[in-house]
Amino acid sequence: DAKTTQPNSMESNEEEPVHLPCNHSTISGTDYIHWYRQLPSQGPEYVIHGLTSNVNNRMASLAIAEDRKSSTLILHRATLRDAAVYYCILSTPGTASKLTFGTGTRLQVTL
Amino acid sequence: NAGVMQNPRHLVRRRGQEARLRCSPMKGHSHVYWYRQLPEEGLKFMVYLQKENIIDESGMPKERFSAEFPKEGPSILRIQQVVRGDSAAYFCASSPDPVGTEAFFGQGTRLTVV
Repeated sequence: DAKTTQPNSMESNEEEPVHLPCNHSTISGTDYIHWYRQLPSQGPEYVIHGLTSNVNNRMASLAIAEDRKSSTLILHRATLRDAAVYYCILSTPGTASKLTFGTGTRLQVTL
Repeated sequence: NAGVMQNPRHLVRRRGQEARLRCSPMKGHSHVYWYRQLPEEGLKFMVYLQKENIIDESGMPKERFSAEFPKEGPSILRIQQVVRGDSAAYFCASSPDPVGTEAFFGQGTRLTVV
């Protein structure tokens, strides 16, 4: 699976937007971009995924660069409950596809 | 539709005993993945199973670890002759297809070897 690069940590104030970047310069044409997050002492939770076009759901938005070599997860209004480790993961659809987690970005949200 | 259920949530074993971790995937999901997370570390892929078949076990230690996903019943991760280094959180995930879309994770089993 292609590799992703994320900052180790980021900070945000509550109720402000947060932009979490991810670089994936070796992405292939069929790789999906997934974002998961892991709150303390819990299992990972799906956030969003996309292929080429920007995506929106109730949790977040995913902005994908035109060349697909980078993407940004956008939390429109961070809350204290959004404090977690956010993982950007690439997966190649296929019979043996799996999610390979990196070190992620630890997001701290302060009042 | 219940989520992915893992049990037990906490498991304490003495060195040399066997640990059996169970994972019931979401209804209709035939793909199961096991991950291990050591304290303060990231999630490491262990094994990917589809009903009755092991698809990818590249992350699973060759000795003492085994996994199965029978036609009926939960997926089982078995660790024989546990050692202190096996202490970790073990998470299972399920998906309706080979993670082209969304995988659902359980709350994990926290194994402590004393």
